[in-house]
Amino acid sequence: QKEVEQDPGPLSVPEGAIVSLNCTYSNSAFQYFMWYRQYSRKGPELLMYTYSSGNKEDGRFTAQVDKSSKYISLFIRDSQPSDSATYLCAMSTGGYKLSFGAGTTVTVRA
Amino acid sequence: NAGVTQTPKFQVLKTGQSMTLQCAQDMNHNSMYWYRQDPGMGLRLIYYSASEGTTDKGEVPNGYNVSRLNKREFSLRLESAAPSQTSVYFCASSEPRGPNQPQHFGDGTRLSIL
Repeated sequence: QKEVEQDPGPLSVPEGAIVSLNCTYSNSAFQYFMWYRQYSRKGPELLMYTYSSGNKEDGRFTAQVDKSSKYISLFIRDSQPSDSATYLCAMSTGGYKLSFGAGTTVTVRA
Repeated sequence: NAGVTQTPKFQVLKTGQSMTLQCAQDMNHNSMYWYRQDPGMGLRLIYYSASEGTTDKGEVPNGYNVSRLNKREFSLRLESAAPSQTSVYFCASSEPRGPNQPQHFGDGTRLSIL
């Protein structure tokens, strides 16, 4: 069993829709949770970072962490074609090592 | 503002050939990383370097060697390439002060081993 599970999709939504992405994990020691965005033929870039449980909002993006359920989510409101990318969740216990999900590919249709 | 630069961008090798993937960062970061990305597997850490002259094995180090020649450069070497090493390789760098320091990635090297 993988330490971090992420549905690879693909996910296709119309412009303006809410995109909902999620990951589950098995290691209860994870405390730091991140979402990276990766455009085609590019490297990942950090989108959101959350420590422990709770919500974090940044513009159209909201990250949620539920440590009791070992479940994290990313919501994208008012999605735009420029949001079309692969979204990777990543987690850490506090050291340098990140455990990544496989990524979910999202397409926002104009 | 280059960030993390990887060379080459694409490479095709025959089984048994050797090759070095180059990575350089201009952000004065101490920590550098090599990952491989395979479909359905996510990013997996091959090697990590906390600072110049130090390296540590990651999750999948077999078949690879690394060199941290100076603070800017971190290279990955395949001594005898195998088809299982066909992948996209990413180099990243970060400040080591905490997990909230983002890792900055290059745009990858796409490697095919025939």
